[in-house]
Amino acid sequence: DVKVTQSSRYLVKRTGEKVFLECVQDMDHENMFWYRQDPGLGLRLIYFSYDVKMKEKGDIPEGYSVSREKKERFSLILESASTNQTSMYLCASSPAQGDTEAFFGQGTRLTVV
Amino acid sequence: KQEVTQIPAALSVPEGENLVLNCSFTDSAIYNLQWFRQDPGKGLTSLLLIQSSQREQTSGRLNASLDKSSGRSTLYIAASQPGDSATYLCAVPNSGNTPLVFGKGTRLSVIA
Repeated sequence: DVKVTQSSRYLVKRTGEKVFLECVQDMDHENMFWYRQDPGLGLRLIYFSYDVKMKEKGDIPEGYSVSREKKERFSLILESASTNQTSMYLCASSPAQGDTEAFFGQGTRLTVV
Repeated sequence: KQEVTQIPAALSVPEGENLVLNCSFTDSAIYNLQWFRQDPGKGLTSLLLIQSSQREQTSGRLNASLDKSSGRSTLYIAASQPGDSATYLCAVPNSGNTPLVFGKGTRLSVIA
């Protein structure tokens, strides 16, 4: 089975902290994605990556950055956490070719206080 | 930019009913369409992937159809069970084969 693992299920951070959300996939997928999910707004794309050291901005990149130093790992960084970044964060991966089915991690519920 | 709409937003049915969830998308030039299930507070579980060349896919009691020309997909759930209660999301690629754009989901409650 494809596995996408997010490092934490729940996180509580203080305003202004630098926050790292880690995501690891074990299926050698080229593509990786970070979304956030908020009530009434659905899933919105933050950043994505098609390959190691590559990154592309999604629809709402402001206040976030990403790092992809290894193919299996895609990190989301909140440079200075703010209360409006309280949300559910979801990581996903998919292959670049063929049956490009996307698989998601279990989600990280981040609360910024 | 691709937009995805799901109707209804919420649905409550008695156990045993067959039901249909609807998904529509604005740009019919899609590579594929994927249906997901999400339980409260959890991540997304992939249910079915339909390639653009396919008309439908089946997995157990689930059947998803795709009509690209009209920009629509339906998810049919046969003989619903309380364990089917969840939010169901459909998603299509924004362009090419990635990244996915999501509808806001249909929240399904199956009452025993």
